[in-house]
Amino acid sequence: GAGVSQSPRYKVAKRGQDVALRCDPISGHVSLFWYQQALGQGPEFLTYFQNEAQLDKSGLPSDRFFAERPEGSVSTLKIQRTQQEDSAVYLCASSLAGYLVAGELFFGEGSRLTVL
Amino acid sequence: AQSVAQPEDQVNVAEGNPLTVKCTYSVSGNPYLFWYVQYPNRGLQFLLKYITGDNLVKGSYGFEAEFNKSQTSFHLKKPSALVSDSALYFCAVRDDAGNNRKLIWGLGTSLAVNP
Repeated sequence: GAGVSQSPRYKVAKRGQDVALRCDPISGHVSLFWYQQALGQGPEFLTYFQNEAQLDKSGLPSDRFFAERPEGSVSTLKIQRTQQEDSAVYLCASSLAGYLVAGELFFGEGSRLTVL
Repeated sequence: AQSVAQPEDQVNVAEGNPLTVKCTYSVSGNPYLFWYVQYPNRGLQFLLKYITGDNLVKGSYGFEAEFNKSQTSFHLKKPSALVSDSALYFCAVRDDAGNNRKLIWGLGTSLAVNP
């Protein structure tokens, strides 16, 4: 596609439910990032993939969060046993180059998760 | 540790007037600096970046930013604001020291351009 696509755009979950958020990056982009953006805040880094390799997951807030990019393109962020504090917009971004090159990031529109 | 600050939550300017959105940073090595804009219900969009070279960087939509090493600042500027520039602006920094992959983001500055 022409840009980074994220789905679903909106997700309402009951506390304790598992959710899966999908990111379809720009074709050919090597780098893929997941960020969490709470209301009134800037994006907070969650995890980074270079192709299929998850090189940095230091931002994942707990072991309930899991991300994968098995074929080096589409990525899924999974949150198990959701809690209210997980409510946020989850942003996916991709970049043509690897992380050592400070290239521009292309963002999707985000997935807004609300946990009741 | 790296950090970035956007001291103003909101900036209001009249259409046609120059605008400045402030950003200061702290890194241990050399900074990679970025500005992104977020329109309502839209994804973040890249405006410009400073990596090295000329301190004045020109970007999209007529925006520019000046890297000032002594003041550790990277303020975003535009000579003549448009109503359509009204949006949320984020400054971000990455430290070139080590294997740092993370962009650290400011809290954002809401720009309102009044007709």
